Amino acid sequence: EAGVAQSPRYKIIEKRQSVAFWCNPISGHATLYWYQQILGQGPKLLIQFQNNGVVDDSQLPKDRFSAERLKGVDSTLKIQPAKLEDSAVYLCASSLSISYNEQFFGPGTRLTVL
Amino acid sequence: AQTVTQSQPEMSVQEAETVTLSCTYDTSESDYYLFWYKQPPSRQMILVIRQEAYKQQNATENRFSVNFQKAAKSFSLKISDSQLGDAAMYFCAYRSWTGNTPLVFGKGTRLSVIA
Repeated sequence: EAGVAQSPRYKIIEKRQSVAFWCNPISGHATLYWYQQILGQGPKLLIQFQNNGVVDDSQLPKDRFSAERLKGVDSTLKIQPAKLEDSAVYLCASSLSISYNEQFFGPGTRLTVL
Repeated sequence: AQTVTQSQPEMSVQEAETVTLSCTYDTSESDYYLFWYKQPPSRQMILVIRQEAYKQQNATENRFSVNFQKAAKSFSLKISDSQLGDAAMYFCAYRSWTGNTPLVFGKGTRLSVIA
């Protein structure tokens, strides 16, 4: 069974530029999560999807971050414009359903904003 | 809101020895899940062990076991017969019993294994 795929693995941009991250969850997983992991901290949820609908985006800085999950499969997370404090690892995770307690994580994208 | 605290930023253990990583949490809920995740340098979060709060028996997975003290809100991870491949960041995480809630992570403990 293929795991959660993410790309790119690394990205370096200048502040005020835009960037997008892509996630392909495990086939059949209805729930998808984006987490932000700042160096030295645990991951923090940014947004949670159930199929193509948003369940929780209360921690998403909506003035600069956006995410979508078209057709309930792949998802894209965008930052526009990026700030220095956005430097972090962005982790995507998926689970079978909203009530299933195990989440499977992708390898993450390390973003550096200069 | 739930919080998870890992008070040991770094730990080290000799190969083949046993080490215990600490985790405490704060919640007003009676039903929930607790997890330990391992994050090696590759950054891939790997589930190590899971505990349902309603179960009194401590979870065990091969060399990994937990000491779950519900009244004390404590959830420690014991790694027996430590191996070089166990070196990683370990995160304790909490999840409510209700379905639409995310994982709440602690800040992690970096475990080094000395050959």
